[in-house]
Amino acid sequence: AQSVTQLDSHVSVSEGTPVLLRCNYSSSYSPSLFWYVQHPNKGLQLLLKYTSAATLVKGINGFEAEFKKSETSFHLTKPSAHMSDAAEYFCVVRTSGTYKYIFGTGTRLKVLA
Amino acid sequence: EAGVAQSPRYKIIEKRQSVAFWCNPISGHATLYWYQQILGQGPKLLIQFQNNGVVDDSQLPKDRFSAERLKGVDSTLKIQPAKLEDSAVYLCASSWSTSETDTQYFGPGTRLTVL
Repeated sequence: AQSVTQLDSHVSVSEGTPVLLRCNYSSSYSPSLFWYVQHPNKGLQLLLKYTSAATLVKGINGFEAEFKKSETSFHLTKPSAHMSDAAEYFCVVRTSGTYKYIFGTGTRLKVLA
Repeated sequence: EAGVAQSPRYKIIEKRQSVAFWCNPISGHATLYWYQQILGQGPKLLIQFQNNGVVDDSQLPKDRFSAERLKGVDSTLKIQPAKLEDSAVYLCASSWSTSETDTQYFGPGTRLTVL
């Protein structure tokens, strides 16, 4: 069965410093992987997705993620945090042949001035 | 392009009452999803429609929850009777199809509080 683990429930960074949000997945087959962001009282917005093309995926707002099959990881990074990045981030896995999105428990990113 | 619309945005009811949520997906999207997001957790799929047919409702508590998408466009999710543990945000999402690479687009959600 597929699953996803977000290793940190809370991450705090200073504005202008790098962001790293960690995600590990478990899947029997080639997965599709997604990162979504959820700002307070807003809907989930897609940041980026991996669908078996390039392993380094670039998304919106300067975020990117690297698919590492050997480590079963799909960590989200950004070189320089902005105050507007403060939000909840969800890693999502979808295995080939299924319809379901499996969400992680989320990582709340706090950006300090 | 208009996004996924949901109403109401907030609802407060007492336990044992009934409640209904409405969702209008992005125009042309064949697939519609309802998720439940309990505070501090990731969203959990309740039911998925492909046009007006149910694809997956394995995690829908069918003794109290029901959903329909009669004309293959908008959808309603109903809870009757509500329990305290149903307090959550109910998210609706839609996508063009069930392709494994297809992106789901989410609405703003309905925050339900059961007292």
